[in-house]
Amino acid sequence: AQKVTQAQTEISVVEKEDVTLDCVYETRDTTYYLFWYKQPPSGELVFLIRRNSFDEQNEISGRYSWNFQKSTSSFNFTITASQVVDSAVYFCALFVGSARQLTFGSGTQLTVLP
Amino acid sequence: EPEVTQTPSHQVTQMGQEVILRCVPISNHLYFYWYRQILGQKVEFLVSFYNNEISEKSEIFDDQFSVERPDGSNFTLKIRSTKLEDSAMYFCASTKREYSNQPQHFGDGTRLSIL
Repeated sequence: AQKVTQAQTEISVVEKEDVTLDCVYETRDTTYYLFWYKQPPSGELVFLIRRNSFDEQNEISGRYSWNFQKSTSSFNFTITASQVVDSAVYFCALFVGSARQLTFGSGTQLTVLP
Repeated sequence: EPEVTQTPSHQVTQMGQEVILRCVPISNHLYFYWYRQILGQKVEFLVSFYNNEISEKSEIFDDQFSVERPDGSNFTLKIRSTKLEDSAMYFCASTKREYSNQPQHFGDGTRLSIL
């Protein structure tokens, strides 16, 4: 069975600070895909970033960056220079072919204060 | 940019009544999903659908639930006899390719309230 753990329930930062959201996953599949989604107060789920299990290169996209480490089964997500509009619940999710579904973590509530 | 659309945005139903939640996936997508999120909790998988049949379903998706793609564009979730615990946000999602890093794109959700 798959599992995604987001140990940080809530994080609060002041605008312009960098913030890293942690995600640890468990799966026996050797091929899998990892995603981060954002859920703003309006409730929709917005896709942010993705990573394949066979590509450990870390990337930056605008203010977002991610650190995928297979050795520790972690897929952490960093927002640089946070803004008030970044306030939302962030979900880490795992897709494996054997399950044919996204398994979500419990989410991290990020509050960015002005 | 193409979107997944869901209707209605909010549905209020009496316990025991049937409810149908509707979704229009992105037009060139082939894999369709329903998830639900009870208020304040994580998003949970219900069912996946491909080539006009269910590919996978969770323990939540019991005999009270069914899915259908009645035409080339709509994808529906039916709950036959609603219970109080069915109150949740229901999300439809679709993707072009499943075994890939193609993300599932989600609709804005239908908030289902059972009275």
